[in-house]
Amino acid sequence: GENVEQHPSTLSVQEGDSAVIKCTYSDSASNYFPWYKQELGKRPQLIIDIRSNVGEKKDQRIAVTLNKTAKHFSLHITETQPEDSAVYFCAASPQSGYALNFGKGTSLLVTP
Amino acid sequence: DADVTQTPRNRITKTGKRIMLECSQTKGHDRMYWYRQDPGLGLRLIYYSFDVKDINKGEISDGYSVSRQAQAKFSLSLESAIPNQTALYFCATSDLSGTHSEQFFGPGTRLTVL
Repeated sequence: GENVEQHPSTLSVQEGDSAVIKCTYSDSASNYFPWYKQELGKRPQLIIDIRSNVGEKKDQRIAVTLNKTAKHFSLHITETQPEDSAVYFCAASPQSGYALNFGKGTSLLVTP
Repeated sequence: DADVTQTPRNRITKTGKRIMLECSQTKGHDRMYWYRQDPGLGLRLIYYSFDVKDINKGEISDGYSVSRQAQAKFSLSLESAIPNQTALYFCATSDLSGTHSEQFFGPGTRLTVL
């Protein structure tokens, strides 16, 4: 089955700096890669996603890049703010179905 | 607003007890999922269902069973709870439109097995 690895497990940055979280996947048939944000005590919520026919996608301060050849994708957050502090999960969906395989999460702390 | 709800929100039980966690949704979605979240392990898929007659095992289905009673309801049962099933459980839904679509999560059920 699909195996999604996520790094780093924790990340601390100063407000205004950029943050990058990286994921790798094992199943070459995976073609959908969402990112979820989970604030403390809250449910995970989708923040951005990318499909295999696209190499990069941006939404204001967040962007996701995908390298299908290397089987890795990354989340980039620019101009970080304290409210970006949360746990971020990457996921991949194999072509044969629509259940998501999640990475283990990255706890991001943005300090003022 | 259309939403995904879970009951109970918190539950403490003892080893060997049967427990049922309920999930309901008013989003009109066909697909429903149960995940388990443990610190440092992320979200792991237990079971999922694409419609009322469809049940599929996920990564960690042993010790769990599910029932899809209606399009809007998907329940998770622990037939004989054990302490290592202590975790935060999330239900999620998604619809059929397009090749892939966003999964919407419920608020979670925190289960403690003593």
